[in-house]
Formats: sequence, C-alpha cells, structure tokens
Amino acid sequence: ETGVTQSPTHLIKTRGQQVTLRCSSQSGHNTVSWYQQALGQGPQFIFQYYREEENGRGNFPPRFSGLQFPNYSSELNVNALELDDSALYLCASSLFGTDTQYFGPGTRLTVL
Amino acid sequence: SQKIEQNSEALNIQEGKTATLTCNYTNYSPAYLQWYRQDPGRGPVFLLLIRENEKEKRKERLKVTFDTTLKQSLFHITASQPADSATYLCASLGAGGGADGLTFGKGTHLIIQP
Repeated sequence: ETGVTQSPTHLIKTRGQQVTLRCSSQSGHNTVSWYQQALGQGPQFIFQYYREEENGRGNFPPRFSGLQFPNYSSELNVNALELDDSALYLCASSLFGTDTQYFGPGTRLTVL
Repeated sequence: SQKIEQNSEALNIQEGKTATLTCNYTNYSPAYLQWYRQDPGRGPVFLLLIRENEKEKRKERLKVTFDTTLKQSLFHITASQPADSATYLCASLGAGGGADGLTFGKGTHLIIQP
C-alpha cells in the first residue's frame, strides 16, 4: 500500500508569481483535502475534492484553486502569491464518508 | 465560530513519567476528536480517534479520554520516552461535516527529557 506523496518537497517563489503543488493519494482513497500550516500553527483547511469536484472549502480566497484527476491525485494552485502564503502545504487523502485522513509529508513554500 | 484550544505550547516531561496533554473545544459539539503526532517539517500522523459516546480509548502506551461536560479531551502517554518528543495536534470535524475539513488546535510541543 502506497502512502500519500507530495511534490515538490520545497519551493521558493517571489511575490506575484503562481505555484502548483501536487499530491498522490493513498491507494484506495478517493477524497483529497488540502491544508495550509503556518509556522507554529495547526493546519488550516483550504478545500476538499471528491469525484473531481470541490466538495467543501475553508476561509481561503479564490486565488487558491484545485483539481482532482480521475486517478484521485490532486493539484493545488495558488495565483498572485503573497508573502503570507509562505507555509507548509499538506495534502490528506481519505475514503469519502470515513473519519480519518492520512497526510503526506507536505510541500514547504517560501514566498520572497 | 468553532474553536479547538490546546493548553500548552511546550510541555517538558521526564522520561518514564506520564505525559498528559489537553484539548478544549468551544462553540460546538464535535461527534469525535482525533489526535495526531507531527514531527518537525513533516505531515501529521494519525494516532487515535475517540467518539462523543466513548469515555476512553487506548492504544499501546496511549490513552485518550473525552468529557462532553467539560468539553475536553485528554491525551496521555505512559512510560514516556525521548522518541515521543513531537508536537501533538488535536482535531475535529467541522460543524458542517466532512465538507468542512478538520479543525485543528495549534498543537502542544512535548519534550521528553532523558
């Protein structure tokens, strides 16, 4: 059984640029959720994808968008990067309707 | 809005003792609470889930309690070891169910001293 994987591991961008982060879900899981974790804080829910559609969204602006593909993998896109977008971005997969989410190692994004 | 609070930012415990971490929730009644472990620069790892109708749950050296009257969960690590040093996160599902994602506390940084 393969766990959740994310790429890249680290990324450095400048303010105003766009970034795409990728996630492969754990084998057998059909739901992907994305979280942003600032230093010293708990993860904050960005959105969730199920059946290739956004199924729920946290308090994040529209410049945070995503995709889910038929193989359940997912992308997180962030446009017009701001300094405050610097954080660890976590992807979590689960089976829809179950309670436990399994997290990937995260992508560390630094915006200069 | 719903909120999860974890009591301490850092907790120092001597090796072999029991570490007890606290999670309080306000403004809602979660159907369950989850506990995760997170090492620096890594993703959270699921440890235990306890439902509102369960008083206590155990897994090896870990024990979790859920008190709906106090609106609190306690997480215990018995016979603590330096390898238990990490940040421990408490989380619950949002009031809107799965589509709201998990709401996390800030976490408690646990340090087990040899």
